[in-house]
Amino acid sequence: EAQVTQNPRYLITVTGKKLTVTCSQNMNHEYMSWYRQDPGLGLRQIYYSMNVEVTDKGDVPEGYKVSRKEKRNFPLILESPSPNQTSLYFCASSTPGTGYGELFFGEGSRLTVL
Amino acid sequence: AQSVTQPDIHITVSEGASLELRCNYSYGATPYLFWYVQSPGQGLQLLLKYFSGDTLVQGIKGFEAEFKRSQSSFNLRKPSVHWSDAAEYFCAVVPGSSYKLIFGSGTRLLVRP
Repeated sequence: EAQVTQNPRYLITVTGKKLTVTCSQNMNHEYMSWYRQDPGLGLRQIYYSMNVEVTDKGDVPEGYKVSRKEKRNFPLILESPSPNQTSLYFCASSTPGTGYGELFFGEGSRLTVL
Repeated sequence: AQSVTQPDIHITVSEGASLELRCNYSYGATPYLFWYVQSPGQGLQLLLKYFSGDTLVQGIKGFEAEFKRSQSSFNLRKPSVHWSDAAEYFCAVVPGSSYKLIFGSGTRLLVRP
């Protein structure tokens, strides 16, 4: 089954404690992206990757890092989380054919930073 | 500024009634246009998309959308809403000049029994 898998789905952590949210897709997609969703703001792109070893900032990259060492994986790293990073995070993947607009989403990771 | 606007934050309709969710964009060239649905506790799922050609596009779950170039709109419609359609709906755009999906802020649909 084609899917994007995120882990963990829920996480409560404290300010400053480094964490990683993993994302894996089994569709051989070149393009992967991370979004955060906050009430009234829709989805905002954090980082994206056009292919292995190619990553770039989205609209709200501050406080986040990513890496793309393998095509299927695109982890999101919060080196020193802060309360304003409390949010619902989505990983997504796509192919070039739709201008990277036809996204396949994971089920989301709800992060709370105390 | 370039943007995607969904003017209705919440919409409530009765089950069986028709539905129209509005979406306007402000990009010069005709972009790629999408509607996504997010059910409670779930990720987003693509409902339908428009790239070119027939301006009325059909999607999954009985939804359709019409692209109107003169109004820069891509409104989502369904003739008869079911209780399971209660969800949040996002309009999204890939501007012609980029390869980046821009989301509207969403419209939450509530369905009265």
